[in-house]
Amino acid sequence: GDSVTQMEGPVTLSEEAFLTINCTYTATGYPSLFWYVQYPGEGLQLLLKATKADDKGSNKGFEATYRKETTSFHLEKGSVQVSDSAVYFCALSDGAGNMLTFGGGTRLMVKP
Amino acid sequence: GAVVSQHPSRVICKSGTSVKIECRSLDFQATTMFWYRQFPKQSLMLMATSNEGSKATYEQGVEKDKFLINHASLTLSTLTVTSAHPEDSSFYICSFLQGKNTEAFFGQGTRLTVV
Repeated sequence: GDSVTQMEGPVTLSEEAFLTINCTYTATGYPSLFWYVQYPGEGLQLLLKATKADDKGSNKGFEATYRKETTSFHLEKGSVQVSDSAVYFCALSDGAGNMLTFGGGTRLMVKP
Repeated sequence: GAVVSQHPSRVICKSGTSVKIECRSLDFQATTMFWYRQFPKQSLMLMATSNEGSKATYEQGVEKDKFLINHASLTLSTLTVTSAHPEDSSFYICSFLQGKNTEAFFGQGTRLTVV
């Protein structure tokens, strides 16, 4: 079955540091890939997505590129802020019923 | 974006009792609803899918008599954990789809602790 693996956290960075959160997947066919973010006390929110190979999703300074050859969708940001502290989930959807398969989540803590 | 309200956010209950978790979509009608569960340091695992006008479809290994899902309307879904056991302690989160191939919107999640 489909699966998503992402790096375990917590990831602790200083403000303005470069962020990478690794995500790899296994799936049949051509899934859509997502990053969701969960801020403290809130529900998951869609951060960005990519629906086909080589697509780059971007939002709020975050980027991720759909790499079919390496089955990866790593999340990056050039300069993190304290307000980026949250839990980040990588996910895929095979389109069938729009069911999402999630990674375990990575907690990011940004210190001033 | 669309808002999904889930409550309670935290609940502690005694073994053997039942707990109801409620999810409402506040500004849209949901054709499909999902319930997920997350154990510590593990992925969100799909428990069940509920489509408009039909009963919930449960994933393998999820007991439908223990986790009762009521898709009461296009804006309300409830998950009742019956005869709760400490092993049911987990983080439960709901998700709604407004239509096929649309973005999924999530509730805030419920931390259930069974003592």
